[in-house]
Order: sequence, then C-alpha cells, then structure tokens
Amino acid sequence: RKEVEQDPGPFNVPEGATVAFNCTYSNSASQSFFWYRQDCRKEPKLLMSVYSSGNEDGRFTAQLNRASQYISLLIRDSKLSDSATYLCVVTRNNAGKSTFGDGTTLTVKP
Amino acid sequence: GAVVSQHPSWVICKSGTSVKIECRSLDFQATTMFWYRQFPKQSLMLMATSNEGSKATYEQGVEKDKFLINHASLTLSTLTVTSAHPEDSSFYICSARTVNYGYTFGSGTRLTVV
Repeated sequence: RKEVEQDPGPFNVPEGATVAFNCTYSNSASQSFFWYRQDCRKEPKLLMSVYSSGNEDGRFTAQLNRASQYISLLIRDSKLSDSATYLCVVTRNNAGKSTFGDGTTLTVKP
Repeated sequence: GAVVSQHPSWVICKSGTSVKIECRSLDFQATTMFWYRQFPKQSLMLMATSNEGSKATYEQGVEKDKFLINHASLTLSTLTVTSAHPEDSSFYICSARTVNYGYTFGSGTRLTVV
C-alpha cells in the first residue's frame, strides 16, 4: 500500500462546479499536510496547508481527519484556470521528508 | 520571500556526459534541500536529502555515485548526474523547507539525454 494515496481521477467538470479530492495516508505519525498544485511541466506550487481545524482560502477548503487519516480539498465555483494536477503532500516529521501522492488531474471545461 | 532559483531549466546532453543542476535559496538560508525526480505522469519521488556541510542522504535505490550532491553553503545545493544515460531523462526539482513548514520548489530542470 502506498504511503499517500489520492483519488486517481481524472476529474472533468464544467465551470462553476464544485469538486472534491480525497487523499489518505498510512503513517499515523504524519505531522504536516499540504495541497500543492502542479501545472503541466512546471514546478509544484503550494496551494494551502491543511490544519486539523480545517482551513479555507477563497474557493478552496481543506480539511484534515486524523482519526481516519485522510485530507480533502474542496474547490467551489470551478474556474477554467483551476485545471491542473493537485498533489497531496504528507510530511512525517519535522526533519522534512515529504511523500507526495500521485496527483489528481482536474480539467474544468467551459 | 522564500524563493528557490534552479537552473538550468532544461538541458539536452549526450549519453555518457555529466550534467550539473544548481539550486539556490535567494532570500533565506536552506540548511536542508530535497532533490526529487518526476517521470512523465508520475509523482515526485524523493531522491536524496541534501544537508549543508555534510553528506547527502539518499533514498533506497538511488545511486549516490551517479547522482552527486554537494551542499557546500547555506544557499546552494547542486545535483550532478554523472555519466548520464537516456533512462536518466526526467524532470528534476529541488525544494527547501521554509519556516512555515511549507516547501518552496525550484522551477525544475528537464533533462533529456540523447
């Protein structure tokens, strides 16, 4: 079993749709959680950190469920520019080694 | 803030030659940098952890003699792919951990070995 698993996707949604991605992690000692966005052939960019209390940034909401060991990303009112691959990243300890999920590809269509 | 500059952005080299990739932290000190490799349609895989002033730590299956890492200063880490072969063609990217526990990535280097 992979340490970090994401919805395989791809997700193809119309503009304005709400879409949710899930990510599960296997190591209960994981401490930090992030969602990154990666456009084709470019570097990943931090979208948001994920906290136990949940956090929201505009149209994006991230949640962490430590008991069930999963994190989620909700995108409301999808825009064409949201089309990208979304990577779930889990850090096991403060030394900084991170494990990336395989990514979920989102395509928002007009 | 927290910018990591990586270059070259892309490089084409002949099989058997060596290629050096540099990552610089521009406005912060990075005692630790991480080097990843990403093959098409796959996720980033950690190759090694680069520590300033000491030897890098390599992940299982990554040849340390082939992928030489040097982290001689708090702002520069380099990855040298020695005797490159076509199967080394990939997207290489570095990252450094910032104080907010997020990671800043370099822009990546696309290596093509012909």
